[in-house]
Amino acid sequence: DQQVKQNSPSLSVQEGRISILNCDYTNSMFDYFLWYKKYPAEGPTFLISISSIKDKNEDGRFTVFLNKSAKHLSLHIVPSQPGDSAVYFCAASGGNYGGSQGNLIFGKGTKLSVKP
Amino acid sequence: NAGVMQNPRHLVRRRGQEARLRCSPMKGHSHVYWYRQLPEEGLKFMVYLQKENIIDESGMPKERFSAEFPKEGPSILRIQQVVRGDSAAYFCASSVGQGAYFGPGTRLTVT
Repeated sequence: DQQVKQNSPSLSVQEGRISILNCDYTNSMFDYFLWYKKYPAEGPTFLISISSIKDKNEDGRFTVFLNKSAKHLSLHIVPSQPGDSAVYFCAASGGNYGGSQGNLIFGKGTKLSVKP
Repeated sequence: NAGVMQNPRHLVRRRGQEARLRCSPMKGHSHVYWYRQLPEEGLKFMVYLQKENIIDESGMPKERFSAEFPKEGPSILRIQQVVRGDSAAYFCASSVGQGAYFGPGTRLTVT
């Protein structure tokens, strides 16, 4: 049973417009959420994160929104650039193992294509 | 400051052979995680280790798979008697706090 779901396998947007990637989770114990970006043949790269005590975190063109009551988070990229084309993974963590975040539960990813 | 290093990047094994995947965490990181990505799937957690200890192996298949993170040297993910279904990309990540940093992965192909 998937605890982290990314229901859109792919998304296509025009350069300069907003990209919105969505993620839903089922486990109310999750208290930390992350977005990773992955290019083919490379490992995932950490993008941005949010703690459950916040509802928004912004870093440059990237903003993550968290709606705890709906168990939903989203990643906004504004403006989108062709270099943003990649697979984006949402991940969640719950619990703290001796100071570390513990294991991350990943969604299946959304492939973003930004067209020039 | 080197990132997480994994080797080999590509590994080909025949059915029944053993596969050994190595992971060197980032300097100063004492927590290592292994993930597997099957074709068309997301990353699935396998095991979480600290130096000389397995903290969480809830994602590890019960047979043929083992992992270690010795006091000295890299973390090793070992797959005995590989089968075709083991073909996947195996990613290692390390952390020292919130967030995890991933290596480039080892792509295992079982022929």
